[in-house]
Amino acid sequence: DAGVTQSPTHLIKTRGQHVTLRCSPISGHKSVSWYQQVLGQGPQFIFQYYEKEERGRGNFPDRFSARQFPNYSSELNVNALLLGDSALYLCASSLGRGGLGDTQYFGPGTRLTVL
Amino acid sequence: GDSVTQMEGPVTLSEEAFLTINCTYTATGYPSLFWYVQYPGEGLQLLLKATKADDKGSNKGFEATYRKETTSFHLEKGSVQVSDSAVYFCALAGASKIIFGSGTRLSIRP
Repeated sequence: DAGVTQSPTHLIKTRGQHVTLRCSPISGHKSVSWYQQVLGQGPQFIFQYYEKEERGRGNFPDRFSARQFPNYSSELNVNALLLGDSALYLCASSLGRGGLGDTQYFGPGTRLTVL
Repeated sequence: GDSVTQMEGPVTLSEEAFLTINCTYTATGYPSLFWYVQYPGEGLQLLLKATKADDKGSNKGFEATYRKETTSFHLEKGSVQVSDSAVYFCALAGASKIIFGSGTRLSIRP
């Protein structure tokens, strides 16, 4: 079975631009979570979606938004990019019934560089 | 607010040594606790988890016990192998947030 897939793999943007990252969960998983991982640090939780509804939100500004589609795939949008948004963005999927306590299955990530 | 404090690395051990990586947490309510691992060149994956006090999670020879009285979830392994070299993350999941520690890089010498 395919794992969590993310696109694109790498992305280079300039300050002030907008970016959209995409994630497809494992088949049968109804929850998707997004994380930001800066080099040398642990992942920082951004959002969790379950059945198209936002279930959890981390301490990120309103420039960050996400949505989940009927097929359970998800997009993370970041507006007005800052240099500090440069990071690896991870998507994870889970069955969703147990909330954030479910085992998270992580994708390979999208490396975003903001110049 | 909720937080996770993890033993800083890097940690270097010889093969067959005993491993402990410390993890303590602060949380309201009754979170679930996790250890995730990232092997070189691979994505983050679950190593073990515990969902309530006194639960012991175990996998691949690793163990961790959810200690509510000391708010800890230390990772242990009796005899490490070179293949255990990786970055280990302790994590806490509450009702609406999940928090990861900063990670501990473990290197095992043959």
